[in-house]
Amino acid sequence: NAGVTQTPKFQVLKTGQSMTLQCAQDMNHNSMYWYRQDPGMGLRLIYYSASEGTTDKGEVPNGYNVSRLNKREFSLRLESAAPSQTSVYFCASSAGSSGNTEAFFGQGTRLTVV
Amino acid sequence: RKEVEQDPGPFNVPEGATVAFNCTYSNSASQSFFWYRQDCRKEPKLLMSVYSSGNEDGRFTAQLNRASQYISLLIRDSKLSDSATYLCVVRRAAGNKLTFGGGTRVLVKP
Repeated sequence: NAGVTQTPKFQVLKTGQSMTLQCAQDMNHNSMYWYRQDPGMGLRLIYYSASEGTTDKGEVPNGYNVSRLNKREFSLRLESAAPSQTSVYFCASSAGSSGNTEAFFGQGTRLTVV
Repeated sequence: RKEVEQDPGPFNVPEGATVAFNCTYSNSASQSFFWYRQDCRKEPKLLMSVYSSGNEDGRFTAQLNRASQYISLLIRDSKLSDSATYLCVVRRAAGNKLTFGGGTRVLVKP
């Protein structure tokens, strides 16, 4: 019963390097999300995808791009990493837009940019 | 103004006591509301949904006040294991956007 799977769990990048964070869900959910969490703060929405084929910016999209590859997968790309992007990144999914549908989270990716 | 705001705390609570805290939201188009719990920067997990009429789940009671645009969480008979950060989440129907508050830290002490 995997739920939401994120890879990698840990990553250290040098400034200017690029990388893609992968996220996959096996719950047949329509919506997927990427958040970042900095120390002492809540989760800030980077991008989200209400359904396959759509993506929208959240609160803090600058420096990131996303791809909703199919219904299962939603990736987050850092084209040129900066120290300000050091954070814990969480991917989440939820069933859809009707009712009180719960969001499920992956275990997070701890990214350090040096 | 942030879309969802919470008192960051910490709320220092004696074991067995009651603690309550609020979350305010700015967008009147918000449709659904949730409380999540987060331990030590692990992934957040759903504590409870918040229904219009208010709802209870064991020692936890959630209320929604649409007129004043806030939700609340009350924890009765606090346990040491209730120590965590409680995150308020607001869902907007358009795009199924989920927005988190900054979290309220609760520390239950013996």
